[in-house]
Amino acid sequence: SYELTQPPSVSVSPGQTASITCSGDELENKYTYWYQQKPGRSPLLVIYQDNRRPSGIPERFSGSNSGNTATLNISGAQAMDEADYHCQTWDSSTMVFGGGTKLTVL
Amino acid sequence: EVQLVESGGGLVQPGGSLRLSCAASGFTFSSYEMMWVRQAPGKGLEWVSYISNSAGIIYYAESVKGRFTISRDNAKNSLYLQMNGLRAEDTALYYCARGLGHLSALDYWGQGTLVTVSS
Repeated sequence: SYELTQPPSVSVSPGQTASITCSGDELENKYTYWYQQKPGRSPLLVIYQDNRRPSGIPERFSGSNSGNTATLNISGAQAMDEADYHCQTWDSSTMVFGGGTKLTVL
Repeated sequence: EVQLVESGGGLVQPGGSLRLSCAASGFTFSSYEMMWVRQAPGKGLEWVSYISNSAGIIYYAESVKGRFTISRDNAKNSLYLQMNGLRAEDTALYYCARGLGHLSALDYWGQGTLVTVSS
């Protein structure tokens, strides 16, 4: 079965750029989606189709997908960006999530 | 405003059954693919099941295949998940979510309903 691998945790200083990776076999041939989830809240879509932002998502959120790795970048990270981030793709008829990455802004 | 409201969760013994419901409003329900996604306490997201807008295509995760049944009633703007043969590992917060497009992202999520399987 297809798997997506994320680092369990990433730390970033306020104002710096946070990069969260998501790895999977030939992932560049699939679309990758990213969700932000704060404690006690439902997931929020922040990136779709590798690099597109839904309405209302700040421009500091961006995405890319090349080779076996998709990356979510958060430029000028703020305290409010501290959350769990989940990547997701489709493999044939199966939706696949990564294990999630806890982003700490400190 | 798009709203998804899940209900039907609760405490059930191993081997038991539950039926989850998701009431949708604020959009044309019959035009959208829908999914169930679950999250065990302190864990990541796990996809459970997919249903196309007309219910003509249905997919399940291997972990629930043969035990769970997804369905929808477009006249009632409602999504369902019938869960039979429940196991301890099915304990999770169950979210219903709307598909952004065909086999795409999930752009709206409900608040979730908690299912606890324990004796």
